Amino acid sequence: GESVGLHLPTLSVQEGDNSIINCAYSNSASDYFIWYKQESGKGPQFIIDIRSNMDKRQGQRVTVLLNKTVKHLSLQIAATQPGDSAVYFCAVLRRQLTFGSGTQLTVLP
Amino acid sequence: DTEVTQTPKHLVMGMTNKKSLKCEQHMGHRAMYWYKQKAKKPPELMFVYSYEKLSINESVPSRFSPECPNSSLLNLHLHALQPEDSALYLCASSQLGTGGFSGANVLTFGAGSRLTVL
Repeated sequence: GESVGLHLPTLSVQEGDNSIINCAYSNSASDYFIWYKQESGKGPQFIIDIRSNMDKRQGQRVTVLLNKTVKHLSLQIAATQPGDSAVYFCAVLRRQLTFGSGTQLTVLP
Repeated sequence: DTEVTQTPKHLVMGMTNKKSLKCEQHMGHRAMYWYKQKAKKPPELMFVYSYEKLSINESVPSRFSPECPNSSLLNLHLHALQPEDSALYLCASSQLGTGGFSGANVLTFGAGSRLTVL
């Protein structure tokens, strides 16, 4: 099976600073990883994905890093904005999508 | 159209009621999903339909009954629920069903139906 865990349940950052959200997974055969953002009252929204043949992938203000040696991935958000406040889930796709426990990101003014 | 639409947004029902949650997508996706999400927890998979056939049932109690009338619609019929079934029920869709390790399996979620069982 697969278990996915996030390192911190909550994270507070100052507006304009960079945010880093970390996630660990258990199955070394996992091939595909996705970060979702869930705002209050909404469903999860796709942010960025990465396959196991990559170490890094960048999007608009977001970067995902994958370290297969220690089975760890992280989401970096540059210049964090108030609209980034949400719960962030990492998810691992093998047979089906398994979500981690989520990190609540709060952006302080 | 890149949305998954769920109705109703909120539902309150008694333990003896029968109700249904509805989900619709017009993205041409061939896989549709029901997830249950309790407060401050991650979504948990309930059912997967692939090409309109039930492909995964994650040992969900029979008081939850899914139905996929066509490739765009997904229903969840509710009967004799318990208060602990109160949760946010999320519908999602993806291009492919199970087994594909690619961006085609990225799930697009609806906003959810908030269910309260009294």
